[in-house]
Amino acid sequence: GQQLNQSPQSMFIQEGEDVSMNCTSSSIFNTWLWYKQDPGEGPVLLIALYKAGELTSNGRLTAQFGITRKDSFLNISASIPSDVGIYFCAGHIIQGAQKLVFGQGTRLTINP
Amino acid sequence: DAGVTQSPTHLIKTRGQHVTLRCSPISGHKSVSWYQQVLGQGPQFIFQYYEKEERGRGNFPDRFSARQFPNYSSELNVNALLLGDSALYLCASSLGQGAFSPLHFGNGTRLTVT
Repeated sequence: GQQLNQSPQSMFIQEGEDVSMNCTSSSIFNTWLWYKQDPGEGPVLLIALYKAGELTSNGRLTAQFGITRKDSFLNISASIPSDVGIYFCAGHIIQGAQKLVFGQGTRLTINP
Repeated sequence: DAGVTQSPTHLIKTRGQHVTLRCSPISGHKSVSWYQQVLGQGPQFIFQYYEKEERGRGNFPDRFSARQFPNYSSELNVNALLLGDSALYLCASSLGQGAFSPLHFGNGTRLTVT
């Protein structure tokens, strides 16, 4: 089945630093999505990428959909305390069902 | 506008019991999906319903079933609960079925099986 390899698994950074995380897959996806999950809550959609090569920004967040449709990265610039949480990449498949395949998550911790 | 709402927020059940989890999608959304998230992992796909029909099922046993109602709300049922069913159960809704309909998640139901 499809699997996403997300790295790094965890990051410990200083406030104000930039962050970069990525996902790779052996399968091609129609869409790549990036979500953030805080403790006790569901994942919140950050960015959706629809076209190979697409580069999209949402405030301090920037994400790109790889040319091969098998990878994506997410960058966060000038991190702030509220960026703490778990970030998930998800590949969107439509094969009969509309289905998301999630990575294992990147846990971001920020030292003030 | 209200997001995806799920009830209950927390639930404790005993092995062998049955549980029903409920989900109301974002107004106007016709697709509802269910995901299971075990601690420390990403969500895993269980079911997707669109226009009240099951469109897909993940690798879960027949103890798991779901349905979607005419108002597009949904229920997830799990029979004969096992300890391994303890997880956060997430409901997600989307406007349609296509690639340009990203999923929006609720805050989940935390199920603990003892």
